[in-house]
Amino acid sequence: GDSVTQTEGLVTLTKGLPVMLNCTYQTTYSPFLFWYVQHLNEAPKLLLKSSTDNKRTEHQGFYATLHKSSSSFHLQKSSVQLSDSALYFCALSDRTGNYKYVFGAGTRLKVIA
Amino acid sequence: EAAVTQSPRNKVAVTGGKVTLSCNQTNNHNNMYWYRQDTGHGLRLIHYSYGAGSTEKGDIPDGYKASRPSQENFSLILELATPSQTSVYFCASGDRQNTLYFGAGTRLSVL
Repeated sequence: GDSVTQTEGLVTLTKGLPVMLNCTYQTTYSPFLFWYVQHLNEAPKLLLKSSTDNKRTEHQGFYATLHKSSSSFHLQKSSVQLSDSALYFCALSDRTGNYKYVFGAGTRLKVIA
Repeated sequence: EAAVTQSPRNKVAVTGGKVTLSCNQTNNHNNMYWYRQDTGHGLRLIHYSYGAGSTEKGDIPDGYKASRPSQENFSLILELATPSQTSVYFCASGDRQNTLYFGAGTRLSVL
């Protein structure tokens, strides 16, 4: 079946440093890939979305590139801020009309001063 | 702004009791979803719906029922609640571009 793998459970960084959160996936179809962010005691909300191979998508200083050759959609930011501390989920869905989603387990990013 | 409202926000139930979690969306989205969130498991899909009158089983449907009486409302029903169903439950609606809009969540404790 379809799956999304996020290898890091917790990433702790000092503010101002760059970050990359890993996301790889397995699917038999051509998917949409997403990053959702969940701040403490809040609902998850969309951060980034892509379906185009090798095209960089950016929002709020975060960026990701879908690479179908390696089935990856890593999330990056050049300089993290304290407010970036949150839980980040990678997810995929298909485009056939069955809008079932598959989420990764999530990566908690903790930014310290 | 898309709006998904869940009620109640917090619920304490007894083992064997019936629990109904409600979700209302004003986005006019066809697709709606129920997830549970547990540490180490991320978001797991319980049930989803393509529109009024439809419900589909997700990845972990056992012990749960769903009801979609209208475009706006999607309920999750635990007929016989168990302590293993203690969790945070999120409802979401999905637009045509596959973006999900989540409610604020319901924290359920089954004692």
